[in-house]
Amino acid sequence: QQQVKQSPQSLIVQKGGISIINCAYENTAFDYFPWYQQFPGKGPALLIAIRPDVSEKKEGRFTISFNKSAKQFSLHIMDSQPGDSATYFCAAWLSGSARQLTFGSGTQLTVLP
Amino acid sequence: DVKVTQSSRYLVKRTGEKVFLECVQDMDHENMFWYRQDPGLGLRLIYFSYDVKMKEKGDIPEGYSVSREKKERFSLILESASTNQTSMYLCASSLLGIEQYFGPGTRLTVT
Repeated sequence: QQQVKQSPQSLIVQKGGISIINCAYENTAFDYFPWYQQFPGKGPALLIAIRPDVSEKKEGRFTISFNKSAKQFSLHIMDSQPGDSATYFCAAWLSGSARQLTFGSGTQLTVLP
Repeated sequence: DVKVTQSSRYLVKRTGEKVFLECVQDMDHENMFWYRQDPGLGLRLIYFSYDVKMKEKGDIPEGYSVSREKKERFSLILESASTNQTSMYLCASSLLGIEQYFGPGTRLTVT
């Protein structure tokens, strides 16, 4: 079974700090690695994504780092803000697969003011 | 904006009841999905559909069935609800691609 393993399950960071969430995958055929963000009472929404031929992608304060040889990728949130408090899911996408996405187990991030 | 709506935000049902969860999307997406979300387990795929009247099992289909009679509507059915089906249920839709659009979820409690 295709799996994506995510850690930590929960994370508490002070305002202004760096939040780091890690994921590992098994299937080297995955084509894309997105991150989803979910606020309380809402469904998840796409935040940022990276292809496996790129080592890093940055969008504002959010950066994905990708290590193809280790089959790992991580989300870094720089200058974390209380408004970033949410649950974050990593995922892996396989083109040609009808089910499309396999999600990690999620990380509940709390940024303290 | 893509909108995915779910028929109820909260539901309380009794063990053994038949439960219907409805999902409607307004973007003419071919693909629709049902997930359940539980703490520490993430989003687990129950069923998905890539076309009207087509359905595929996901990772945890036992105890569930689905119906897709119209492109915009995807229903999840619990034939005989059990307490271990108490969970948050999320519906999503997508075209081919990495972005799935999620509804706000239905929190189902089975007592």
